[in-house]
Amino acid sequence: DTEVTQTPKHLVMGMTNKKSLKCEQHMGHRAMYWYKQKAKKPPELMFVYSYEKLSINESVPSRFSPECPNSSLLNLHLHALQPEDSALYLCASSQTKPGPRTYNEQFFGPGTRLTVL
Amino acid sequence: GQQVMQIPQYQHVQEGEDFTTYCNSSTTLSNIQWYKQRPGGHPVFLIQLVKSGEVKKQKRLTFQFGEAKKNSSLHITATQTTDVGTYFCAGRPSGTYKYIFGTGTRLKVLA
Repeated sequence: DTEVTQTPKHLVMGMTNKKSLKCEQHMGHRAMYWYKQKAKKPPELMFVYSYEKLSINESVPSRFSPECPNSSLLNLHLHALQPEDSALYLCASSQTKPGPRTYNEQFFGPGTRLTVL
Repeated sequence: GQQVMQIPQYQHVQEGEDFTTYCNSSTTLSNIQWYKQRPGGHPVFLIQLVKSGEVKKQKRLTFQFGEAKKNSSLHITATQTTDVGTYFCAGRPSGTYKYIFGTGTRLKVLA
């Protein structure tokens, strides 16, 4: 199984709502990532988890709250978002996180297309 | 900050023509990866380059990593309609543990 799954595929939420995005992989990967991608732009790294611990937070606003309950699951909790947060949210995984002699490809999920009204 | 730029931003080619996208980093890279994202899809890993001056081929695709490890290129020979999509390089600056995606090149192939 070389697949990363994400739910939901589409999400529309108001600025006062609380919602969560979910990501799952069963490849035994120990690094998981959240990226944000605006239309016609490259993916921008938000968070990196390594062995279920937060390794990198790219100064993401606190209205985005990641969680890694176990090695297969990654959540992104959303609260009080702004319309400019509308984007495609991509989850990815790799065998391990990048290191001095570690070069692992990232497997991306299909993404959740989020619209904030 | 660290930046990875790609040129051109867009490229339209006739089917059968060749295509090249160039990736340039403001800093030296440990390694570079290339991804393809089809319209409406997600990035899919193509290849990884680690060594200075490395060249790798995958059928009609040729990837190069510059001698100074600050630039890379992807060349497609005899494009097909299935090559349509956006090609991203993703470089890992030396001493860091994250990849920075390039700005991308969107390729359209006219039949």
